[in-house]
Amino acid sequence: DADVTQTPRNRITKTGKRIMLECSQTKGHDRMYWYRQDPGLGLRLIYYSFDVKDINKGEISDGYSVSRQAQAKFSLSLESAIPNQTALYFCATGDSYDETQYFGPGTRLLVL
Amino acid sequence: SQQGEEDPQALSIQEGENATMNCSYKTSINNLQWYRQNSGRGLVHLILIRSNEREKHSGRLRVTLDTSKKSSSLLITASRAADTASYFCATDGQAGTALIFGKGTTLSVSS
Repeated sequence: DADVTQTPRNRITKTGKRIMLECSQTKGHDRMYWYRQDPGLGLRLIYYSFDVKDINKGEISDGYSVSRQAQAKFSLSLESAIPNQTALYFCATGDSYDETQYFGPGTRLLVL
Repeated sequence: SQQGEEDPQALSIQEGENATMNCSYKTSINNLQWYRQNSGRGLVHLILIRSNEREKHSGRLRVTLDTSKKSSSLLITASRAADTASYFCATDGQAGTALIFGKGTTLSVSS
């Protein structure tokens, strides 16, 4: 089984809809991250969490919110989706003692 | 804003050749990491080099770091078709372990 899972893997939605992307991990890591990837722009950090009670904004948090429901779960919400949020979204985890990050397989989101 | 910038943006080579990618960054770092991404998939960590290290090896990978020039290079020796992927450098950002990624180098290795 994969250590970092994301659901759904693909999602098509319409402008104005609220959607949630979910991330679960079995690595026992404290730290979790959400990134988005756009062609030619690399990965940009949306939100990150260093433990269950810690939530921090990243470079591009506007239009997004997150919830850390448990150590193993970190969800990303788009309250009112817009077309320029069409992108590939990645969840990642990291241990406080290990500076490496471990990525999920990604969620491909299309907002019409 | 991007911390690391990879160069070149795209690289095409033949199997057996060496591939070199470069990364430049703007501010002081504690470490620099390289990741690989196969088309549309999650990133996979390749190697981490700390600011007090100048060179590191892992299998066919060789990474160098020059903190005075704020640059790093990734060398893949004896490339294989399976090395075809995008390669990203990442540096530790303001939050410590919240990595900041470059835009990546797309490597294409033809057989």
